[in-house]
Amino acid sequence: AQSVTQLDSQVPVFEEAPVELRCNYSSSVSVYLFWYVQYPNQGLQLLLKYLSGSTLVKGINGFEAEFNKSQTSFHLRKPSVHISDTAEYFCAVSKGDDKIIFGKGTRLHILP
Amino acid sequence: DAGVIQSPRHEVTEMGQEVTLRCKPISGHDYLFWYRQTMMRGLELLIYFNNNVPIDDSGMPEDRFSAKMPNASFSTLKIQPSEPRDSAVYFCASSLKGTGTGELFFGEGSRLTVL
Repeated sequence: AQSVTQLDSQVPVFEEAPVELRCNYSSSVSVYLFWYVQYPNQGLQLLLKYLSGSTLVKGINGFEAEFNKSQTSFHLRKPSVHISDTAEYFCAVSKGDDKIIFGKGTRLHILP
Repeated sequence: DAGVIQSPRHEVTEMGQEVTLRCKPISGHDYLFWYRQTMMRGLELLIYFNNNVPIDDSGMPEDRFSAKMPNASFSTLKIQPSEPRDSAVYFCASSLKGTGTGELFFGEGSRLTVL
């Protein structure tokens, strides 16, 4: 069975600084990978997804992620964060069978 | 276009009471998912439907939990009897395709507190 590990439960970063949120997955088959964002008191919304092709995926709000098959990672990055990026970020994996497994989330705190 | 609509947004009840959570998916979406979110366990998939038929309910914690989807525009998640450990945020999500390549659209959640 596949699983997702988000190594950091919380990440503080200063405004306008770069950020990387780490995600590792385990699966014996090919997978699809996702990052979702949850703003306070809201549901999750899709940030970006990797299905195939280019390993660098660009999403909304200036975020991007890179699929690294050898390291089984799918880290999320943004070169310069804004206060509005304060949210919880979830990495997720699916092997294409209609079930998506979420990591436990990483809270991004933007410091002024 | 309306998104996934859940009700109630907040529910406070006493242990032993029946709780019913409701969800209206996005029109035209074939898949509906129920998730539970807690600090300890994160987001857990409880059950999902395809074309109103339950496909996988292996995530349903126990017999106290049940879910139905009588038609394409409505689903319920029922807990009877409720217990304090059921306190969580319950999310409904819908998708045009399965989650393999499709995008999940989440409702704003129903926050349940069982005293």
